[in-house]
Amino acid sequence: EIVLTQSPGTLSLSPGERATLSCRASQSVSSRYLAWYQQKPGQAPRLLIYDASSRATGIPDRFSGSGSGTDFTLTISRLEPEDFAVYYCQQYGSSPWTFGQGTKVEIK
Amino acid sequence: EVQLVESGGGLVKPGGSLRLSCAASGFTFSNAWMTWVRQAPGKGLEWVGRIKTKTDGGTAEYAAPVKGRFTISRDDAKNTLYLEMDSLKTEDTAVYYCTSTLCCWGQGTLVTVSS
Repeated sequence: EIVLTQSPGTLSLSPGERATLSCRASQSVSSRYLAWYQQKPGQAPRLLIYDASSRATGIPDRFSGSGSGTDFTLTISRLEPEDFAVYYCQQYGSSPWTFGQGTKVEIK
Repeated sequence: EVQLVESGGGLVKPGGSLRLSCAASGFTFSNAWMTWVRQAPGKGLEWVGRIKTKTDGGTAEYAAPVKGRFTISRDDAKNTLYLEMDSLKTEDTAVYYCTSTLCCWGQGTLVTVSS
């Protein structure tokens, strides 16, 4: 099973700042099959990025994904008030599919 | 518009069974790999399992904690996904989400396993 470790656990930033979230895999993720999700309190998660760097439909271009192998990054170029939430990475390259433990982006 | 609506959650005793349903609309359900994900109260997301399309073999795979106890199935004629849960444990308490893989999520249904 591929274990995904996200860091940091919590990121305290101000609106307008850049956020950089990390997701490290215990083994190489096949074909860059890595996704990022955003979850706000009381809501279902929303897909942001798939295949490591492809934005899902309707996702603003301030969200970008990069990486390959075992190291992946989600970057939010300039934080908007609605971006403060919990972010999860997920690999779907090998079964069982697995999630990271999440990074909370909070207002500083 | 893609819609996924879960139902069937509730309170069940340890050792009991429950069947969740997920009604899908707004996309070609038979062409979609479907996934169940759960989230225990205050915790992160946990992948439960997924089922391929019939074209891709229709097979299901499961996470280790639920393998042998949970069964995922689909009825393409009814555009409905199912999660049959047997031998439930207290640690299965969670909100269960139905997802069309790499797209859209339902609002979730709460399953509470408690005596």
